[in-house]
Amino acid sequence: QVQLVQSGAEVKQPGASVKVSCKASGYTFTDYAMHWVRQAPGQRLEWMGWINTGNANTKYSQKFQGRLTITRDASATTAYMELSTLRSEDTAIYYCARQHFLYYMDVWGKGTTVTVSS
Amino acid sequence: DIQMTQSPSTLSASVGDRVTITCRASQSITNWLAWYQQKPGEAPKLLIYMASSLESGVPSRFSGSGSGTEFTLTISSLQPDDFATFYCQQYNSYSWTFGQGTKVEIK
Repeated sequence: QVQLVQSGAEVKQPGASVKVSCKASGYTFTDYAMHWVRQAPGQRLEWMGWINTGNANTKYSQKFQGRLTITRDASATTAYMELSTLRSEDTAIYYCARQHFLYYMDVWGKGTTVTVSS
Repeated sequence: DIQMTQSPSTLSASVGDRVTITCRASQSITNWLAWYQQKPGEAPKLLIYMASSLESGVPSRFSGSGSGTEFTLTISSLQPDDFATFYCQQYNSYSWTFGQGTKVEIK
């Protein structure tokens, strides 16, 4: 079955970087783009960025420009989200989500909790 | 960026009630709108895409309508499993944004 399995919870100090992985299975990885969405405690879902898993093109929300890097390893059917210069406001659950060709997100990972604390 | 505004933010309803949630876009998005349901501690689940198309496996009591800037999600008869937070999400020119969410609570 189609599945996105994310890496485990992370605790980071302010100023550090975090890299979260999202392993896809059950479908052809390069046929579907992948999004990263985060949710701070009690807050709305927030779109972070997107990668075309076929050609590795990316698009980032302006809010995260310069701090966010989304990559993929097609041979490992895995997408990655790296956020640098972490601050306490980056404490959130980070989700990967597969994009259907009609631009909505049809399959979601279970989320990775990232806690930024000194 | 296109802003999405949902109303109400919280809704109290009883099992069997008809429930309607509204989502407004700051500019026209034609019908590039999806609705998701999120329960505490879980990832969002897709309910509706392209404003009115029901995702496979989603009960028919859920329906969506609208185009341009105003959209609605309707639950025809609220069931115990439906108490959750619902989000609209738009797509436009390789940018996606979500509404602030509507929490449906038990009355």
